[in-house]
Amino acid sequence: QVQLVESGGGLVKPGGSLRLSCAVSGFTFSDHYMAWIRQAPGKGLEFLSYIDKSGSTIYYADSVKGRFTMSRDNAKNSLFLQMTSLRAEDTALYYCARESVMLVGALDSWGQGALVTVSS
Amino acid sequence: DIQMTQSPSALSASVRDRVTFTCQASHDISNYLNWYQQKPGKAPKLLIYDASNLETGVPSRFSGSGSGTDFTFTISSLQPEDVATYYCQQYDNPPYTFGQGTKLEI
Repeated sequence: QVQLVESGGGLVKPGGSLRLSCAVSGFTFSDHYMAWIRQAPGKGLEFLSYIDKSGSTIYYADSVKGRFTMSRDNAKNSLFLQMTSLRAEDTALYYCARESVMLVGALDSWGQGALVTVSS
Repeated sequence: DIQMTQSPSALSASVRDRVTFTCQASHDISNYLNWYQQKPGKAPKLLIYDASNLETGVPSRFSGSGSGTDFTFTISSLQPEDVATYYCQQYDNPPYTFGQGTKLEI
């Protein structure tokens, strides 16, 4: 079955860096656009970044542009989010999600999330 | 980025009530809107795509309508398992943005 499993979360100091991974299985990864979404504690969903099937086109929310870098390795069925210059407001549960092949913009499968805490 | 505004932010209703809430886009997004349900401690789930189409397996008591800048989400007969937060999401222009959510309680 379709699975997305995030890893790499943890506690990091302000100004530090962290790299999240999302390992996928159960579907042809290279057929799908992918996204990272986060949710701060008790808050709503924030769409962070979006990558095309080849990894050549990536979009970022203004809140993370210049600090976060999204990438993918289709040979390893993996998605990544390199986060630098982390701030307290980046504390959140980070989800990777798959865009439907048939429905543009529809995120039809999600991981369970990786918790990132930015604190001194 | 396109801003999405949901209202109300929270809503309390009774079982079998008809429940409606709205989502407004800052720009015309045609019908490029999805709705998600997020239950406590769980990842979001896609319910409706293209503003009004029900995702496979989603109960028919859920529905959506609207186009342009104004959209509506309806539950025709509220069930206990519908307690959740509901989010709209535009996909007219990436990065796709979510509304702030409507928390539904019984």
